[in-house]
Amino acid sequence: KAGVTQTPRYLIKTRGQQVTLSCSPISGHRSVSWYQQTPGQGLQFLFEYFSETQRNKGNFPGRFSGRQFSNSRSEMNVSTLELGDSALYLCASSTEGQHSYEQYFGPGTRLTVT
Amino acid sequence: GNSVTQMEGPVTLSEEAFLTINCTYTATGYPSLFWYVQYPGEGLQLLLKATKADDKGSNKGFEATYRKETTSFHLEKGSVQVSDSAVYFCALSDRGTDKLIFGTGTRLQVFP
Repeated sequence: KAGVTQTPRYLIKTRGQQVTLSCSPISGHRSVSWYQQTPGQGLQFLFEYFSETQRNKGNFPGRFSGRQFSNSRSEMNVSTLELGDSALYLCASSTEGQHSYEQYFGPGTRLTVT
Repeated sequence: GNSVTQMEGPVTLSEEAFLTINCTYTATGYPSLFWYVQYPGEGLQLLLKATKADDKGSNKGFEATYRKETTSFHLEKGSVQVSDSAVYFCALSDRGTDKLIFGTGTRLQVFP
């Protein structure tokens, strides 16, 4: 079974621009979660989608948004980029969503904002 | 709120040494507990898990026991290898959601 894939792997953007990251979950997984990893803040939860609906949300500004498609693929969008948005963005998928306990992570997208 | 505290690194060991990485948690209810490992340039891999008190998770020689009385989930390995060098994250999952709350991570460096 193929693992979680994320595209692109690396991205360089300028302040004020917007960016869209993509995540394809493991086949059969319906829940997709997004995390931001930075040296200063560590791993922080952004949001979770299940069956095309956002079910949980972390404490990030509205510039961070996401969506999930009917095939469970998910995209994350960050508008009006700031230098502090430079991070590794990780996507994770799990089977049933509620109480599935195990999440499988992709390799991440490394975003650099200059 | 829920939180996870890990010992600060780096932890530096010689090959075949015994490893302990401490992890304690604060949570309401009965969370599931996890250890994830991150190798350089990669995402996180689930190493082991425990879903209830006294459960022992184990994988690849690593073990951790869910201790409710001490709210701990310490990671241990009897004999580390150079290939175990990575960053290890302790995490909990609130039973009401799928949100994972991570510790700050502990870097392990194993030298031959």
